[in-house]
Amino acid sequence: DTGVSQDPRHKITKRGQNVTFRCDPISEHNRLYWYRQTLGQGPEFLTYFQNEAQLEKSRLLSDRFSAERPKGSFSTLEIQRTEQGDSAMYLCASSLGDTNNQPQHFGDGTRLSIL
Amino acid sequence: AQSVTQPDIHITVSEGASLELRCNYSYGATPYLFWYVQSPGQGLQLLLKYFSGDTLVQGIKGFEAEFKRSQSSFNLRKPSVHWSDAAEYFCASSGAGSYQLTFGKGTKLSVIP
Repeated sequence: DTGVSQDPRHKITKRGQNVTFRCDPISEHNRLYWYRQTLGQGPEFLTYFQNEAQLEKSRLLSDRFSAERPKGSFSTLEIQRTEQGDSAMYLCASSLGDTNNQPQHFGDGTRLSIL
Repeated sequence: AQSVTQPDIHITVSEGASLELRCNYSYGATPYLFWYVQSPGQGLQLLLKYFSGDTLVQGIKGFEAEFKRSQSSFNLRKPSVHWSDAAEYFCASSGAGSYQLTFGKGTKLSVIP
């Protein structure tokens, strides 16, 4: 059973550039989540997919952020025109099932640093 | 709205000593509650979860947690801490109407030999 995989692990970019992260969930999991974690804080929910449908989006997900899960398998999170405040760890999680009492399993995250 | 409070930012214990990390939640109904552990630069690993039933739940690595509705608490305990337990611990909740997890700010655990 491979876990949740995220790529890249680290991304350094200049302010104003676009970045894209990828998440591969555990293969049989139909739910996928994105969270953002800044230094000294707990993760904050960004968005959630059930299969290919994006069902919830946080107010944190500004119009510069877009997430997709085109075939209900892997997902991408794109940030356009990056800003200093986007520097954070971006975590992906996945879970199984039709009820919301299935635990979420997290990947190791992508750490984004904006120069 | 849900909220999770972890009152202790940093706790230091001696190896072999007992541990209790505090967590308080705010939610109208019975929440689903979780404890995760995060090592530096890593993702979060699930230690244990509470959905319903027995209020004392056992997890991995010798951890347990007790749900106390009257105190809105879900404290994490371990009878004897090992040096490898040094990490950051996050309490989280979700509710019947939402799939998102709401996390506390975390408690950093240091273990001294």
